[in-house]
Amino acid sequence: QSVLTQPPSVSGAPGQRVTIPCTGSSSNLGAGYDVHWYQQLPGKAPKLLIQSNTKRPSGVPDRFSGSKSGTSASLAITGLQADDEAEYHCQSYDGSLSVVFGGGTRLTV
Amino acid sequence: DVQLAQSGEEVKKPGEPLKISCKGSGDSFSKFWIAWARQMPGKGLEWMGIIYPGDSDTRYSPSFQGQVTISVDKSISTAYLQWSSLKASDTAMYYCARLNTGLDYWGQGTLVTVSS
Repeated sequence: QSVLTQPPSVSGAPGQRVTIPCTGSSSNLGAGYDVHWYQQLPGKAPKLLIQSNTKRPSGVPDRFSGSKSGTSASLAITGLQADDEAEYHCQSYDGSLSVVFGGGTRLTV
Repeated sequence: DVQLAQSGEEVKKPGEPLKISCKGSGDSFSKFWIAWARQMPGKGLEWMGIIYPGDSDTRYSPSFQGQVTISVDKSISTAYLQWSSLKASDTAMYYCARLNTGLDYWGQGTLVTVSS
């Protein structure tokens, strides 16, 4: 059982918008810790997609955006493309230097 | 550019020891925590622990405390994850990653298969 809760799967048609929620608690997201998002393409290592709730690292398209409020966070993907099919993971902290992950969400386009 | 290069795939028998590695490039290796994560087949990521190469300060997830040992040799910019006695349930992909603002650089992963 992961500390952060994500739906196992979401789907959307090409061009559509999807959101992936990540729910925590008062000891992690609700305590003010940032959430980060990772994209894991099939057979590959995870890649940082959104850092510190809303920031896109260099090279990440602006179709990807993040938000956080209270004990919840969300990743939004607009203009869905076939190569967005991947596993998406949220990550935060549960106390200083105690990393926690969500269970991962498989996106089907 | 920062790179983390992990050691290759391992196939082991239950009860055997194992040490896998994560070698960093660049001058900044000693200045950031290095995390280890497990991904079992078809499952999500699980945080195992982190180590600070500058002084070897190590923190473990309660789920992995006593099950693995994380170490580092900063002279060769390499972090390690080791088991004294593998179990079949240790079969998984293992990743190292640099902890900055999020886990900003990842190794390519080391697949560990434990089977009799």
